[in-house]
Amino acid sequence: DAGVTQSPTHLIKTRGQQVTLRCSPKSGHDTVSWYQQALGQGPQFIFQYYEEEERQRGNFPDRFSGHQFPNYSSELNVNALLLGDSALYLCASSLDAGRDYEQYFGPGTRLTVT
Amino acid sequence: KQEVTQIPAALSVPEGENLVLNCSFTDSAIYNLQWFRQDPGKGLTSLLLIQSSQREQTSGRLNASLDKSSGRSTLYIAASQPGDSATYLCAVRGAQKLVFGQGTRLTINP
Repeated sequence: DAGVTQSPTHLIKTRGQQVTLRCSPKSGHDTVSWYQQALGQGPQFIFQYYEEEERQRGNFPDRFSGHQFPNYSSELNVNALLLGDSALYLCASSLDAGRDYEQYFGPGTRLTVT
Repeated sequence: KQEVTQIPAALSVPEGENLVLNCSFTDSAIYNLQWFRQDPGKGLTSLLLIQSSQREQTSGRLNASLDKSSGRSTLYIAASQPGDSATYLCAVRGAQKLVFGQGTRLTINP
């Protein structure tokens, strides 16, 4: 049973460019959350998708957008990249079965903005 | 706004010691609390999840406790090994999202 997978593993972009990160949830999971982890910090919640809709959003600008597909996979898009967007981007999946669900994390995508 | 604090930020101990990592949170209205392990440059591995109605969970040499009323959790690691070296993160769940602490960087010296 494959866990949460993310692609690409590493990415280098130039300031002002746009980037798309991808996530496939753990088998049987229907909810995907995205987190940004700056170096030396704990992960910060970006947003969560359930039933192809953004259900909750953290304190991130509109440059950060996402999408969830019918097969529950998800994309995170970041426009007009800034140097401060350099971070490890983590995807987590879970099953929306009430309030006690556990989140499983992927290996992350390391984004470097130069 | 929920805030999670982990103390200490870094800890270095000799192999074989028992140790305790601390996590505190400001809002006791949580659904659950998870402890994660993160190796350098890697994703998060879930170690233990404690539901809001539970007091503790155990897995092998790890034991996590939760005191929701006081906003505290501890992760106890017994008989530490060099392979336990990593950053340990706690996260509390309120509504949909997890709120993380900044982690404790643990080094076990052979």
